[in-house]
Amino acid sequence: GESVGLHLPTLSVQEGDNSIINCAYSNSASDYFIWYKQESGKGPQFIIDIRSNMDKRQGQRVTVLLNKTVKHLSLQIAATQPGDSAVYFCAETPPGGLIFGSGTRLLVRP
Amino acid sequence: DAMVIQNPRYQVTQFGKPVTLSCSQTLNHNVMYWYQQKSSQAPKLLFHYYDKDFNNEADTPDNFQSRRPNTSFCFLDIRSPGLGDAAMYLCATSRGGGGFRNEQFFGPGTRLTVL
Repeated sequence: GESVGLHLPTLSVQEGDNSIINCAYSNSASDYFIWYKQESGKGPQFIIDIRSNMDKRQGQRVTVLLNKTVKHLSLQIAATQPGDSAVYFCAETPPGGLIFGSGTRLLVRP
Repeated sequence: DAMVIQNPRYQVTQFGKPVTLSCSQTLNHNVMYWYQQKSSQAPKLLFHYYDKDFNNEADTPDNFQSRRPNTSFCFLDIRSPGLGDAAMYLCATSRGGGGFRNEQFFGPGTRLTVL
């Protein structure tokens, strides 16, 4: 479950469009999931979380979808803005642990 | 504002010379975490404290130690830094209870360079 990666996958979207960032998690026993946003030179910032007894949760401009059958998590950002440009990490909590996914860089084109 | 503070923001040390990174919090959270983040990689949990109880991740090298003298402060000690220890070190806090199932509040990180 440890994340290893030399190159971050990148998603480039037009300002105002919706963004969908995907994450495959590794442990079927994970019961809590979080999305973090990390801007350059800063620590990760909590965006939204979801527990395994839910399949969808909405926040302000963000929605997280959880598909436990295929161990897939997605983050949807509505009306993407330049300030959304960052690296996005999902994280899962298997029993007794916390594992970050490998991250996706979101670039917003003006 | 309540926050997580890391000092220094940039630290340069020599190969094999012990170094200590500092973290403080004004959130009064029970749990404090240390992560290592290398370039273009995800944060990797090194260890965490739940109050005074220390919890080491199984694959954290012995070269890394931590101290939490009180609720507010937590230190990361690297006894003999190697070139492979150059990274961003992130401190985070969370409320207790629920294991890892709580929002974590991260500091800005300390970027460690090993010469």
